[in-house]
Amino acid sequence: GAGVSQSPRYKVAKRGQDVALRCDPISGHVSLFWYQQALGQGPEFLTYFQNEAQLDKSGLPSDRFFAERPEGSVSTLKIQRTQQEDSAVYLCASSLAQISYNEQFFGPGTRLTVL
Amino acid sequence: AQKITQTQPGMFVQEKEAVTLDCTYDTSDPSYGLFWYKQPSSGEMIFLIYQGSYDQQNATEGRYSLNFQKARKSANLVISASQLGDSAMYFCAMRAISNDMRFGAGTRLTVKP
Repeated sequence: GAGVSQSPRYKVAKRGQDVALRCDPISGHVSLFWYQQALGQGPEFLTYFQNEAQLDKSGLPSDRFFAERPEGSVSTLKIQRTQQEDSAVYLCASSLAQISYNEQFFGPGTRLTVL
Repeated sequence: AQKITQTQPGMFVQEKEAVTLDCTYDTSDPSYGLFWYKQPSSGEMIFLIYQGSYDQQNATEGRYSLNFQKARKSANLVISASQLGDSAMYFCAMRAISNDMRFGAGTRLTVKP
């Protein structure tokens, strides 16, 4: 067990393709977060789930980005019609408590390259 | 709005020496948490240390300590007795009532043998 896992670790997509990135949080963690990290920068918040409810999606850069967590565990981040500016590492994190200042446990990330 | 500032893009330290990585923050929320994460070249974010805004004492975790100066809104990370394995990117982050974590731009630390 384990930690947060993400798949795939690497994804190369042609511009215009749709991609789906998966996150398996730590079992029992209520909160799940997605971040986008561009090269040489800090992670930027995309969206947040509490169980299956998406409570904040203010960080999603466009309507091409969509995230879901239908059963309150595994989450998928989908990017439609990928563009070159979508190239980044996508990090998933989970946290035990609903509203907390506790640490977030991060997965290894998915490196997306859009050609 | 919340903002985290790390003004040192890169830092060098000699092995076994101590180093301080700077972090300042801005928030209007009275209650918040401050975090430091390490990101080695493998890419995974590793939690190092946490400081709550109402904590009276500075946080310490092994060789890591957080120099928290609330009035100055600074939360500097101090690494004592640096090791070669400490070479990595270090991110300061803050989480307040809005619940999303905001990160600084990071500091790349290089430990010299």
